[in-house]
Amino acid sequence: GAVVSQHPSWVICKSGTSVKIECRSLDFQATTMFWYRQFPKQSLMLMATSNEGSKATYEQGVEKDKFLINHASLTLSTLTVTSAHPEDSSFYICSASKRQTFKMGGYTFGSGTRLTVV
Amino acid sequence: AQSVTQPDIHITVSEGASLELRCNYSYGATPYLFWYVQSPGQGLQLLLKYFSGDTLVQGIKGFEAEFKRSQSSFNLRKPSVHWSDAAEYFCAGDTGGGNKLTFGTGTQLKVEL
Repeated sequence: GAVVSQHPSWVICKSGTSVKIECRSLDFQATTMFWYRQFPKQSLMLMATSNEGSKATYEQGVEKDKFLINHASLTLSTLTVTSAHPEDSSFYICSASKRQTFKMGGYTFGSGTRLTVV
Repeated sequence: AQSVTQPDIHITVSEGASLELRCNYSYGATPYLFWYVQSPGQGLQLLLKYFSGDTLVQGIKGFEAEFKRSQSSFNLRKPSVHWSDAAEYFCAGDTGGGNKLTFGTGTQLKVEL
């Protein structure tokens, strides 16, 4: 089945630094990738949607200059948290879908990245 | 606005007992509906999905869900729960085409031995 690899699975960074999270679709070409944020004991909140080769669409309230999303190819999307602060500490999850085969594959999720900013 | 509601935040069942997790949706047209399970610190695993057709959907790990248009519901069921089923369960909906998935708030399932 479809597999999405997310890396790293956890990261600790110092306040003020930037951190990049990668999301790769391993065995399919994803037309759309999504980035979610999840606080402890809460649901997933969509941050942004990205289509290959175009700018990401951010949800209301998400700072696009803080959370940089790049979707350079059909198999790779990256989320960069710039000038990270402790309040950015969270669990970030990516997912991917392929429009042509959506009814078979649906959405595939990565395993998530635990970001801790100290 | 399109939304998915999970009325139960926590549910506790005894091992071997039956389980039903509730999910209600609010969409203009019939949405695509999903149930996911998440273990602590992990990503989401798809249990089952409904796009159209047969309203009773079979999934993995012995789970099933029934789409009821008249009740705007898509409840998840399992006839006999195992201790390993303890996790967070999310219902989610999509208008179609894989453009946006909206999640419910989740239900935390605890299984008593």
